[in-house]
Amino acid sequence: KAGVTQTPRYLIKTRGQQVTLSCSPISGHRSVSWYQQTPGQGLQFLFEYFSETQRNKGNFPGRFSGRQFSNSRSEMNVSTLELGDSALYLCASSSNRDRGMVFGPGTRLTVL
Amino acid sequence: AQSVTQLGSHVSVSEGALVLLGCNYSSSVPPYLFWYVQYPNQGLQLLLKYTSAATLVKGINGFEAEFKKSETSFHLTKPSAHMSDAAEYFCAVSDPFSGGYNKLIFGAGTRLAVHP
Repeated sequence: KAGVTQTPRYLIKTRGQQVTLSCSPISGHRSVSWYQQTPGQGLQFLFEYFSETQRNKGNFPGRFSGRQFSNSRSEMNVSTLELGDSALYLCASSSNRDRGMVFGPGTRLTVL
Repeated sequence: AQSVTQLGSHVSVSEGALVLLGCNYSSSVPPYLFWYVQYPNQGLQLLLKYTSAATLVKGINGFEAEFKKSETSFHLTKPSAHMSDAAEYFCAVSDPFSGGYNKLIFGAGTRLAVHP
């Protein structure tokens, strides 16, 4: 069974730009969650999507948004990038029956 | 609000020695608890989870953890460390009744070093 895939793996942007990250969950998994990992703040929950609907969200500004498609693939978008948005963005998928998410390798975003 | 405290940001053990990584949580309801491991330049891998069944949970790679409600702890152990266990370990909690199963609150992480 293929794992969670995230594209791109690495990204360099400049302040003020916007970025879109993509996540393909494990086949059959309908829930996709996004996390931000930074040295200072650690791992923080961004949002969760299930069946194309945002089911939960963390405490991030509105510049961070996401969506999920009918095939469960998900994208997250960050607009008006700031230096502090530099982080590893992790996507995770899960099925409703098995409590325990499977994480992808992450997208490392660097904002210059 | 839920929170997770991991005991020690760095732990160093000898190969073959006991691994003990501490985790304490605060939650007003019976939580779900998880341990994840992260190797350099990789995502998180689930080691084990507690979801209100048996209090002693066995995971992958010989790891296990015991849920102790009275101590609000979920410490991770492995009887004999292997060089390949060197990684960063994260304890996490979720509240299935309010935040949902997948909204995890993570601890700050413990970096485990294993020396020969």
